[in-house]
Amino acid sequence: DVKVTQSSRYLVKRTGEKVFLECVQDMDHENMFWYRQDPGLGLRLIYFSYDVKMKEKGDIPEGYSVSREKKERFSLILESASTNQTSMYLCASSLETGNYEQYFGPGTRLTVT
Amino acid sequence: DQQVKQNSPSLSVQEGRISILNCDYTNSMFDYFLWYKKYPAEGPTFLISISSIKDKNEDGRFTVFLNKSAKHLSLHIVPSQPGDSAVYFCAASEWGGSNYKLTFGKGTLLTVNP
Repeated sequence: DVKVTQSSRYLVKRTGEKVFLECVQDMDHENMFWYRQDPGLGLRLIYFSYDVKMKEKGDIPEGYSVSREKKERFSLILESASTNQTSMYLCASSLETGNYEQYFGPGTRLTVT
Repeated sequence: DQQVKQNSPSLSVQEGRISILNCDYTNSMFDYFLWYKKYPAEGPTFLISISSIKDKNEDGRFTVFLNKSAKHLSLHIVPSQPGDSAVYFCAASEWGGSNYKLTFGKGTLLTVNP
């Protein structure tokens, strides 16, 4: 069964802290994605990766960085958390070829105070 | 510049009736369209998809219709059930685009009343 897991379901951090969100997939997928979901704004792509050590900016990369050292793991890093980064963060993965379907993790609700 | 638009933020339907969720797009290079369903505090789950070479795809109670000339697609749920209450996202992908990146709409909250 397809599985994407995220390290935390809920996270509370202080302004200025460095925050790591981890995502692991067990499907041997080449592509991995980080989104944030905000009310009224839908899903917005932050970064994605199509191979180990490869990354591309999405639509809203400012304030974020990513790391992909292993195929199964994709990390999202908030270098200095700010209150406007309070959001639901969703990780997804997909095959390099096929029908474009992305499989999502359960999400991490991050609150920055 | 929103390339995938879901103009109805919410929709309320009676159990057993048809739910119709709409989606419009502006990018003529989009060639594959997907619908996802999302419950609160869960990740989106894939529901149904359609390629641009088709105008209809059916899977059980769910049917997606694509009108390429109008750049419009719709998701029909018949009959609607209370468990269908969720946020529905329309998504599109561009042929030859960047590694199967999906562009999502803002979502429509469907409420099915018993």
